Amino acid sequence: TQLLEQSPQFLSIQEGENLTVYCNSSSVFSSLQWYRQEPGEGPVLLVTVVTGGEVKKLKRLTFQFGDARKDSSLHITAAQPGDTGLYLCAGIGTGNQFYFGTGTSLTVIP
Amino acid sequence: GAGVSQSPSNKVTEKGKDVELRCDPISGHTALYWYRQRLGQGLEFLIYFQGNSAPDKSGLPSDRFSAERTGESVSTLTIQRTQQEDSAVYLCASSLGVNTEAFFGQGTRLTVV
Repeated sequence: TQLLEQSPQFLSIQEGENLTVYCNSSSVFSSLQWYRQEPGEGPVLLVTVVTGGEVKKLKRLTFQFGDARKDSSLHITAAQPGDTGLYLCAGIGTGNQFYFGTGTSLTVIP
Repeated sequence: GAGVSQSPSNKVTEKGKDVELRCDPISGHTALYWYRQRLGQGLEFLIYFQGNSAPDKSGLPSDRFSAERTGESVSTLTIQRTQQEDSAVYLCASSLGVNTEAFFGQGTRLTVV
């Protein structure tokens, strides 16, 4: 059973455009993380959000955790080819179990 | 190395054969996870070990799949009587504890022919 749904599943944009990726669930999580995965590699952590309504910014990336701690979004401003990859959200349950989302494959075209 | 190590990196096997995949977590990490990833897809949870607690096996897709962990060290994922639908990348991750980062290995790409 997939607990976290991400949208869109695939996204192809031109360099310089903005984009938003969504991560939605019917479950409440103690915290939520976003990972990025490049081909042939394992996912690497980008950010952890813990508090409902929390917003974190990492350079051109803005992450938001929903007030009810069931959903999250990732916004990228002025996307660059180096942002290309598979973006995965992961909700952390009460037992430290990671539930990963369905993934969003992003391609930024130079 | 200091990261999560998985072996083999690639495995091609004939349908019906058994395979064993190995994961060496980061030293000191009490939690260990196995996931399956099909091409371009998200991560499908398989099994979770936390210290000496009973593992959470709720993600194992069939009784052909099993996993063991020796203390807080090495883990092996065994797939018996492999089927073509078992072809995927199998990822292992370890973490220190609650709300911490999951560190992933590079995965084992399994191809069943």
